[in-house]
Amino acid sequence: TQLLEQSPQFLSIQEGENLTVYCNSSSVFSSLQWYRQEPGEGPVLLVTVVTGGEVKKLKRLTFQFGDARKDSSLHITAAQPGDTGLYLCAGGGNNDMRFGAGTRLTVKP
Amino acid sequence: DAGITQSPRHKVTETGTPVTLRCHQTENHRYMYWYRQDPGHGLRLIHYSYGVKDTDKGEVSDGYSVSRSKTEDFLLTLESATSSQTSVYFCAISSGTGGNYGYTFGSGTRLTVV
Repeated sequence: TQLLEQSPQFLSIQEGENLTVYCNSSSVFSSLQWYRQEPGEGPVLLVTVVTGGEVKKLKRLTFQFGDARKDSSLHITAAQPGDTGLYLCAGGGNNDMRFGAGTRLTVKP
Repeated sequence: DAGITQSPRHKVTETGTPVTLRCHQTENHRYMYWYRQDPGHGLRLIHYSYGVKDTDKGEVSDGYSVSRSKTEDFLLTLESATSSQTSVYFCAISSGTGGNYGYTFGSGTRLTVV
């Protein structure tokens, strides 16, 4: 069973649209990370959030950590084809990170 | 900007044979990890290392062993490969433990067991 549930599993949108993907858990995490993975490559870290309620922005991407530190969301404004990829969330454990199965985003031109 | 390389990138092997995957880093990071990625399961931790000759099991360690004789190298061995071990294997490195330190991943090894 997945400790971290990501939704939706798949998302296909047109260029210029906004979107939000979610990462939910019944566990409390000391921190949460978001990664993006492109085909044939390893995941690349986008952001780490550590404080409940924290909001971080990275250009057109906005990341939020839930107040209870059990969930997080990633919002993309005006999506571009270059945003296409697999978005993974990961929660901090004692010695390692536990990953969700990801949201596969396709942005069509 | 490699910093971490995995070899081989692709491998096909027969059931029952031993297989070793290599992860090499040039960042001098203390922590190294092996994950496998399968559709619907995300990344699952196999083994990790917190220093030379210091390793521990992850959530899916059965059928795998690891060794770390130098800071820069972390080897993953499938002792007797099975079809269920067909997967994409990723190595990751980190300068610290826990969620405050991001992982840097290699490009992966796609292993097929026939």
